[in-house]
Amino acid sequence: QKEVEQNSGPLSVPEGAIASLNCTYSDRGSQSFFWYRQYSGKSPELIMSIYSNGDKEDGRFTAQLNKASQYVSLLIRDSQPSDSATYLCAVNSRTGGFKTIFGAGTRLFVKA
Amino acid sequence: AAGVIQSPRHLIKEKRETATLKCYPIPRHDTVYWYQQGPGQDPQFLISFYEKMQSDKGSIPDRFSAQQFSDYHSELNMSSLELGDSALYFCASSLRVGARNEQYFGPGTRLTVT
Repeated sequence: QKEVEQNSGPLSVPEGAIASLNCTYSDRGSQSFFWYRQYSGKSPELIMSIYSNGDKEDGRFTAQLNKASQYVSLLIRDSQPSDSATYLCAVNSRTGGFKTIFGAGTRLFVKA
Repeated sequence: AAGVIQSPRHLIKEKRETATLKCYPIPRHDTVYWYQQGPGQDPQFLISFYEKMQSDKGSIPDRFSAQQFSDYHSELNMSSLELGDSALYFCASSLRVGARNEQYFGPGTRLTVT
């Protein structure tokens, strides 16, 4: 079992719709959770971080964390074609250091 | 705002040669991370430094070494290069605050080994 799992996709949604991206992790000691957006050939860009259970909203993005279920998600409202990218879930555990584990990423396509 | 700087942006080397990648973190960030990303793959953690000391080690080959200098810049040294080392190498930096360490990535160095 991979430490951080994501559906590789591709996930295709029409413009204006809500895109829902999901991630599960195996280390119960994980304390920090991040979503990165990566365009092809570019570096990952941090778009959301979440540290406690519940929802965190930033503009069109909402991150949701459920530590009991070891689950973190990202919702993108009013999806735009420019949101088409690979979204990487990243998890960091203080147990054994500050190593960050990335999921394989979910490719999102927003159709105009 | 200042970002992470990496140099060179592109590097072409032959098998068995050596390469040195440089990373300049965001000012006042205390931690530097190195990642390797192959085509279609997620970033693989190689190594990190906290306050100039090695902090964590990931899947870094023995042929690679890294260090962080007094000015906080870091270098990744790669020897006996193999074709499989061709990848994007990212450096990221963060400021650790408790359990929080939001990492900001540099633009990457694309290494091609021929």
